Amino acid sequence: AQTVTQSQPEMSVQEAETVTLSCTYDTSESDYYLFWYKQPPSRQMILVIRQEAYKQQNATENRFSVNFQKAAKSFSLKISDSQLGDAAMYFCAYRATNFGNEKLTFGTGTRLTIIP
Amino acid sequence: NAGVTQTPKFQVLKTGQSMTLQCAQDMNHNSMYWYRQDPGMGLRLIYYSASEGTTDKGEVPNGYNVSRLNKREFSLRLESAAPSQTSVYFCASRRAEKNTGELFFGEGSRLTVL
Repeated sequence: AQTVTQSQPEMSVQEAETVTLSCTYDTSESDYYLFWYKQPPSRQMILVIRQEAYKQQNATENRFSVNFQKAAKSFSLKISDSQLGDAAMYFCAYRATNFGNEKLTFGTGTRLTIIP
Repeated sequence: NAGVTQTPKFQVLKTGQSMTLQCAQDMNHNSMYWYRQDPGMGLRLIYYSASEGTTDKGEVPNGYNVSRLNKREFSLRLESAAPSQTSVYFCASRRAEKNTGELFFGEGSRLTVL
């Protein structure tokens, strides 16, 4: 069974600084998707960034980028120029790509605090 | 666009009572899901529906039933609520024919069972 591990329950960063959130996963599949979701205090789950395993290039979305290490099964999220609005719970998630596999597996989350 | 809409947003039940959480999406998505979120445990899949007329169990289905009423609606029912079902429940949907895997979530429903 696939598992997703986020070993940092809480992280904090000074405003305007850079922070990296860690995620590792376990799978026997060769092709899959990885995601980072953000959950602010409003509870709404918002997709931050997505990585397809067959793509070697790391995904980037504005201030958010990932470091995808397929052999190490590692998928970290880097937030540059941190802003107060980045404060939230961040969840790493995994899904295999084969059609019919509907399960999205989440990690336990990292609570990010931004220090003004 | 409304996206995924869940009702109610909050509910308090007594042990043994029943209730149904409603979910509707207006994005013409094929797949719909119910997750529960508990502190320190992330989101866990309760049930999902890959298409209209089909439903399947996820990780934690015990104590729940679901109905995929039509393509838009997917309800979650607690027949006899227990304190262990106190949680925040999320409905989500996905455009399955585009296999990028992104889920769109509702705003969540906080359920307390006394």
